[in-house]
Amino acid sequence: EDQVTQSPEALRLQEGESSSLNCSYTVSGLRGLFWYRQDPGKGPEFLFTLYSAGEEKEKERLKATLTKKESFLHITAPKPEDSATYLCAVRISGYALNFGKGTSLLVTP
Amino acid sequence: DAGITQSPRYKITETGRQVTLMCHQTWSHSYMFWYRQDLGHGLRLIYYSAAADITDKGEVPDGYVVSRSKTENFPLTLESATRSQTSVYFCASTSPLTSPEINEQFFGPGTRLTVL
Repeated sequence: EDQVTQSPEALRLQEGESSSLNCSYTVSGLRGLFWYRQDPGKGPEFLFTLYSAGEEKEKERLKATLTKKESFLHITAPKPEDSATYLCAVRISGYALNFGKGTSLLVTP
Repeated sequence: DAGITQSPRYKITETGRQVTLMCHQTWSHSYMFWYRQDLGHGLRLIYYSAAADITDKGEVPDGYVVSRSKTENFPLTLESATRSQTSVYFCASTSPLTSPEINEQFFGPGTRLTVL
């Protein structure tokens, strides 16, 4: 059974304090690992897709990396506007996604 | 409006009533999905559709019915609502043709459903 586990559940950072979020996955044949951002009261917003171990994607202060068993979302010098819940997912049947429970990030000034 | 929309945004109903949540997308995406989001469970797939008249079950389909007569619409019906179906429901869509390298799903704003 495909499984996605995210850690930590919640993370509090000071502005400028870099850190990483973890997503470990168990799938038979990865067909895509996805990162989304979700703000309160809104739908998830796409950030990255990764397919192969060693692959990296960057966007502003965020960088996603992938190994054979896990993915990391690195946040460099975060700002308060980076506060959100970050969701990790793997592609399953068709183009459906199996999501982890998310990491709630709070960045304080 | 361009994009993906859901209606209603908020709904309160009673146990046993039938409720239909609507989802509409303007991109002609072939794939559409319904997820529910609950504290402690994250997003879970209810049903998905690969094209008009093609639907398939996800992780938590019991108590729900879907149809897709037109590409742009994907309604979700709770035939007899139960309290355990109180949740936030998200619709999403994607097309393997328009972004084959990325395959991102575009999510609607969600419908918050409360079953009393």
